[in-house]
Amino acid sequence: DTEVTQTPKHLVMGMTNKKSLKCEQHMGHRAMYWYKQKAKKPPELMFVYSYEKLSINESVPSRFSPECPNSSLLNLHLHALQPEDSALYLCASSQGGLGDYGYTFGSGTRLTVV
Amino acid sequence: QKEVEQDPGPLSVPEGAIVSLNCTYSNSAFQYFMWYRQYSRKGPELLMYTYSSGNKEDGRFTAQVDKSSKYISLFIRDSQPSDSATYLCAMTLGNYGQNFVFGPGTRLSVLP
Repeated sequence: DTEVTQTPKHLVMGMTNKKSLKCEQHMGHRAMYWYKQKAKKPPELMFVYSYEKLSINESVPSRFSPECPNSSLLNLHLHALQPEDSALYLCASSQGGLGDYGYTFGSGTRLTVV
Repeated sequence: QKEVEQDPGPLSVPEGAIVSLNCTYSNSAFQYFMWYRQYSRKGPELLMYTYSSGNKEDGRFTAQVDKSSKYISLFIRDSQPSDSATYLCAMTLGNYGQNFVFGPGTRLSVLP
């Protein structure tokens, strides 16, 4: 298995809703990442988990709450989002550092906040 | 000055052409350099990964890094319509994504 799987693929939520994005990989990668990508822009790093511990938080608002239950799973809990948070949310993983293969990205969750 | 700059697109070429995509950067401490391809509505896919200066070839793709000039390139030979995508350069200081920075991307269209 050489994939990063993200669910759901699409999500529409209201500003008062609570939802979660899920990411799963079974490649034994020990670092996992959340990125946010707006249309026609490159991905922007949000969070990095290394060995299941949060190692980088790029000053992301608290309405985004990451969680790493185990080495294969990464969640992003969403609460009280704003319409400007609508974007493609990408999960990625890497072996431990970059290894020989850089990052492996999932296909993303396209989030629309209404 | 942005940390990583990339040639503006969109870029349109005929099938079979050689494509050159370029990025320049300002932070001389970057050590790892990558090229990603992103199809519409998909996540980025790693194409090439190089450490420090030098060339790396993989099939129709060649990546070049010139750290002295802070300049990296991706060459695509015998371009195909399936190569039509946005190409993002990326670079980082080290492991675990510290200061992992993407370029803004160049949209490439290969016309049959």
